[in-house]
Amino acid sequence: ETGVTQTPRHLVMGMTNKKSLKCEQHLGHNAMYWYKQSAKKPLELMFVYNFKEQTENNSVPSRFSPECPNSSHLFLHLHTLQPEDSALYLCASSQDREDYGYTFGSGTRLTVV
Amino acid sequence: ILNVEQSPQSLHVQEGDSTNFTCSFPSSNFYALHWYRWETAKSPEALFVMTLNGDEKKKGRISATLNTKEGYSYLYIKGSQPEDSATYLCAAGGNQFYFGTGTSLTVIP
Repeated sequence: ETGVTQTPRHLVMGMTNKKSLKCEQHLGHNAMYWYKQSAKKPLELMFVYNFKEQTENNSVPSRFSPECPNSSHLFLHLHTLQPEDSALYLCASSQDREDYGYTFGSGTRLTVV
Repeated sequence: ILNVEQSPQSLHVQEGDSTNFTCSFPSSNFYALHWYRWETAKSPEALFVMTLNGDEKKKGRISATLNTKEGYSYLYIKGSQPEDSATYLCAAGGNQFYFGTGTSLTVIP
């Protein structure tokens, strides 16, 4: 375990379903991130939260909705997804955005059917 | 968007061989570079964070160098072992970090 816990590890959902991914860290980090990894592509930054405030939103479709209720928890709410949204979703946290590396969770493997 | 490129895409080496791979990035708007090691079914693990031109960092048999003026970093593994088999990712940026697609290393016993 890295200190960043993601649940569930695997998720299969239909295009009309609503589901949520959860990320939790108790490392005292003040920034949390959602990344998407699709096959053969680099990790793509989706959302950044710094001290619970969203600071980046990289043109992510509105069917992905992040929530950060406190500095230890991060959610990604999913609704009416498309099959091309199937990917590995990674959560990460860091103490400071530039000077420290990220601590990643193990990811949620999402399949949209 | 910062275009971060890694080469080679994949690499197979014999146990005991030393190897290296490259991460290239635009030198403008650079603040820091990260190297990660990502084993299958595990989380990416931070190896190095580098910010200064000419910086060189080492962790056991793995070391990295950074040239911010020409926009590249090298990762070296000395005496590769099967447990070094993983994908090695680099990320560069400032306000936002951009990842390369990684170098997949397989060390053959």
